[in-house]
Amino acid sequence: AQSVTQPDIHITVSEGASLELRCNYSYGATPYLFWYVQSPGQGLQLLLKYFSGDTLVQGIKGFEAEFKRSQSSFNLRKPSVHWSDAAEYFCAVGGTRGKLTFGTGTRLTIIP
Amino acid sequence: GAGVSQSPSNKVTEKGKDVELRCDPISGHTALYWYRQRLGQGLEFLIYFQGNSAPDKSGLPSDRFSAERTGESVSTLTIQRTQQEDSAVYLCASSLSRIGMNTEAFFGQGTRLTVV
Repeated sequence: AQSVTQPDIHITVSEGASLELRCNYSYGATPYLFWYVQSPGQGLQLLLKYFSGDTLVQGIKGFEAEFKRSQSSFNLRKPSVHWSDAAEYFCAVGGTRGKLTFGTGTRLTIIP
Repeated sequence: GAGVSQSPSNKVTEKGKDVELRCDPISGHTALYWYRQRLGQGLEFLIYFQGNSAPDKSGLPSDRFSAERTGESVSTLTIQRTQQEDSAVYLCASSLSRIGMNTEAFFGQGTRLTVV
């Protein structure tokens, strides 16, 4: 069965600092990987996705993620966070059967 | 439509009553998903529809939960004999085709269900 683990429930970083949110997945074949962001009172917005090809993918709002098959990871990074990045971040894995499974999320707090 | 539309946006119901939640996917999207998000929790998969294939119901938590979808249009999620633990935001998403064919899922704003 496919699954996603986001080991960090809550992360606090200073504005302007770099960010890395961890995501590990379990899937028997090549996964399709996604990062979504959920701001307070808002719906989920797609940040970036990986289907195949280049393992470093760029997304919106200056985010990027790197697919590492050997580590079953798809960590999200941003070189310099802004106060508006405070939100809940969800990693998700999809398989060839179409089912999309989410992790439990990481809540990001930004301090001035 | 322009996006995934869910109704109602909020629903308060008494314990033991049945509720119906509606999702209108983006026009032309063949795949449709339902998720449950309890307060402060992640997204819990409930059910997935893909075209005319049999739905993946593996996430439905009990036989009180059921969902239908007619063709590639609207879907309804029904919860019978609601319990307080059913209180959550129910999210619907749709995608152009099966995830993985260079498609992504688009989410609605959700229905906040409160069982009192």
